[in-house]
Formats: sequence, structure tokens, C-alpha cells
Amino acid sequence: DAGITQSPRHKVTETGTPVTLRCHQTENHRYMYWYRQDPGHGLRLIHYSYGVKDTDKGEVSDGYSVSRSKTEDFLLTLESATSSQTSVYFCAISRDRGAADTQYFGPGTRLTVL
Amino acid sequence: DAKTTQPTSMDCAEGRAANLPCNHSTISGNEYVYWYRQIHSQGPQYIIHGLKNNETNEMASLIITEDRKSSTLILPHATLRDTAVYYCIVRVDYGNQFYFGTGTSLTVIP
Repeated sequence: DAGITQSPRHKVTETGTPVTLRCHQTENHRYMYWYRQDPGHGLRLIHYSYGVKDTDKGEVSDGYSVSRSKTEDFLLTLESATSSQTSVYFCAISRDRGAADTQYFGPGTRLTVL
Repeated sequence: DAKTTQPTSMDCAEGRAANLPCNHSTISGNEYVYWYRQIHSQGPQYIIHGLKNNETNEMASLIITEDRKSSTLILPHATLRDTAVYYCIVRVDYGNQFYFGTGTSLTVIP
């Protein structure tokens, strides 16, 4: 399995509080991604990074920000959590963005916003 | 990304081969076929991918038809731990994300 860890694995928070999720990789892959998974929607891309300090928006980026100060770490921040952001969040990594470049996924973080 | 169609659910007896079909009739020449699976609440697990040739690894085999409009994932000796949702994904070159559809829920029966 690819060396990807996510922390925390579970979190319960209250509406309006800031939340930061961390993804850490040991594979030295260039690309890192944040997805969310909700019933009926499959996995949806939030943000991705193509290098240190290089990030871009995905399909559902509103209400989320990201940062990547080191190759191995990709942070997802909810500035002011809302109940609609209750979800399971997955980090993924890939060596490059070509069609033959596999994305490997982390174990996920289950976030509940009350 | 090309759309894929998979059966909603399948059963397979333990120890038998599980054959999971996928239709991707609109696939383009530079698009790869990927298979992932997701065991309840875990992260999606990569299984195998291919362009036009059949592929095999330690987990499974991928058979792609000559016209590339469909493929089959084969788990040669299914075990109870193979019970999961299996996703067939067509991946365009330099796209950002993998589009996971609803997949096939495979249940391996003792």
C-alpha cells in the first residue's frame, strides 16, 4: 500500500469552528488531492496540488482552502465548518497527472459537523 | 471522461472466480480503464489498470475487448475479504480526478 496517512481519522466539531485535516505521504509523489465522499455523490474533488505551494480548485472547492508547504504534507482547512461539510474526506497521491498515473488513496477522515 | 456502466450488485461463491463486467462504449483512444474497490468505509484501493492489452497482477486480471468498449475484472479465487464495491473508471490523459460512479457491490458468499 502507498504510504499515505490522514489525521485525524475521526473528528466531531461544531458549526462555525475551523477544522484542519492533514494528509501525509512518504512516496515523494508530486500530485496530492483532497476528495469528499457522500452518499449518492461518489467521490468529488475538492482541491489538488501539483507541487509545493502550487494548488488549484476542484469540483467542490467552496468553503475549503488548502496549503502545501512541504512535498509530503497537504492540508485541507474548513475555515468555518458547516453541517453540509459533514462527510468522509480522502486524500490521494499520484506521481503525475497522465492517464497511466494511478492515484492512491489514504484511509480517510470522517468529519461530523454538528 | 467516458461514462461507464456496471451492474449494481453481484454475488460470487467463495473460492470461485468473480467476473465483474464494465461497459465503456464511448472510450477514447488515449483513455485507460482503471479498477478500484472500496471495502466499507475504507479508502478506495487500486486494483489494476490497462489501455488495450489484457493485464494481470497479484490481485486480479483485466480483460479488455478488442474494440475497447467493455472490460472484465477477474478475481481468480474470491474470498470473503473481497466483498466490496468495485469501481470501473475510464481515465482521460491529464485529467485531474478519477470519476467514481456507483460501482458494483460484490458479495462473496461462504
